[in-house]
Amino acid sequence: DVKVTQSSRYLVKRTGEKVFLECVQDMDHENMFWYRQDPGLGLRLIYFSYDVKMKEKGDIPEGYSVSREKKERFSLILESASTNQTSMYLCASSSLGQSNTEAFFGQGTRLTVV
Amino acid sequence: GENVEQHPSTLSVQEGDSAVIKCTYSDSASNYFPWYKQELGKRPQLIIDIRSNVGEKKDQRIAVTLNKTAKHFSLHITETQPEDSAVYFCAASQASGGSYIPTFGRGTSLIVHP
Repeated sequence: DVKVTQSSRYLVKRTGEKVFLECVQDMDHENMFWYRQDPGLGLRLIYFSYDVKMKEKGDIPEGYSVSREKKERFSLILESASTNQTSMYLCASSSLGQSNTEAFFGQGTRLTVV
Repeated sequence: GENVEQHPSTLSVQEGDSAVIKCTYSDSASNYFPWYKQELGKRPQLIIDIRSNVGEKKDQRIAVTLNKTAKHFSLHITETQPEDSAVYFCAASQASGGSYIPTFGRGTSLIVHP
């Protein structure tokens, strides 16, 4: 059973804090993603990574950075949290190649910045 | 980049009716179109997908159709049941260096009234 696990289900942080959201997958997937989910806006891609130490910007990377030091772990970093980053954050992973392209999601982290 | 439009944003049906959700995409290079279902408080999960070399795919009560010329694809759910109530996301993606990076629509909230 594929598992994508996010370190926290709920987080409350103060404006200006540095925030780390962690994601771990156990399927040896090459690709990992961070999405932000807001009502009426769907799932918007922040960053993705297709290999260790590799990262690519998605549609809304401003205010975020990522780290992938190990294949199974992909971290999202908010350098200085702001109230407009209050949202649900979803991590996902998928394998490389055209035969199996399903993205598996974590349970989500609901971040509130006050 | 790819842009995916999804309609309607909300769909309310009576149990037993059919439901249709429509999506359009902008990039003719997109060749993989998954649909995800997200039940309340849960993670999105793949329910069906279609590739650009196929016009229609069925799996029990759900089907997806693709019109490459018009760049639109649709999800059809027949004989809807209350457990079909969820948010449904369409996505379009293309291979980039062997990785499929899905771009999601904004989601459709389907409500099935018993």
